[in-house]
Amino acid sequence: EPEVTQTPSHQVTQMGQEVILRCVPISNHLYFYWYRQILGQKVEFLVSFYNNEISEKSEIFDDQFSVERPDGSNFTLKIRSTKLEDSAMYFCASSVFSNQPQHFGDGTRLSIL
Amino acid sequence: GENVEQHPSTLSVQEGDSAVIKCTYSDSASNYFPWYKQELGKRPQLIIDIRSNVGEKKDQRIAVTLNKTAKHFSLHITETQPEDSAVYFCAASGGSQGNLIFGKGTKLSVKP
Repeated sequence: EPEVTQTPSHQVTQMGQEVILRCVPISNHLYFYWYRQILGQKVEFLVSFYNNEISEKSEIFDDQFSVERPDGSNFTLKIRSTKLEDSAMYFCASSVFSNQPQHFGDGTRLSIL
Repeated sequence: GENVEQHPSTLSVQEGDSAVIKCTYSDSASNYFPWYKQELGKRPQLIIDIRSNVGEKKDQRIAVTLNKTAKHFSLHITETQPEDSAVYFCAASGGSQGNLIFGKGTKLSVKP
C-alpha cells in the first residue's frame, strides 16, 4: 500500500536556525497538508496545499512558515528562525481530493535547543 | 472556525467490554468526520470515517454514529482487545480544502 514518507525522522536544531522538513505524498493525491502535534497534545492543522498554492492556513502558520512543492514529488515545510515553542512532531498528510481520507506520514520530530 | 470537543480524555475498560468515545463539533457546515488511532510515537492511522449524509457506519468491531442535528458523533468499539489500547482522535472537516480539526484525544486502556 502506498504511504506518505517524511524525512528526517528527527531533527535537532539551534534556536534561530532554519529547518526544512520534507514529505513525499502519495503519488496520485492532489491535496497536501501539514499538521503539528506538541508532545501529549492534539494534532493541529497548519496548512493545506492544492494546485501548487496554499489553499488554507491556520493562525499557527505565521510568516516564519512556508511551504513549497519544488518538484513533482516533494512537499516541504520551511520554518525560518526557529523558536523553542516550535518543538513538536510535524506530520505531513495527503488525500486524493478534499474531504477524502487523509493518510499521514510517520512524522518528523523537531527539537529546538 | 470549527471547534471539536472530545470526551472522555481517558477511558479504561476490561478486555471484552465495549468502549464509547464522544465528540461534538460547532460548525454545521462540517460534512466529513474521521477517527484516527495513534499508538505511542506513531502516525495517526485512519480507522473509520463517516459523512454527513450517513447516520451510522460499521466495520467489524468498530462503528461510528453521527447526529447532525445535535452536532455530535461517537466511536463505538465492541469486544475490546489489549491491542486496541491507544489514543483515539476524532476530527471534523467541512472547509473546501478538507483541513481536519481534531479533538484533544482519548487515551483508551484495555486491561487483559
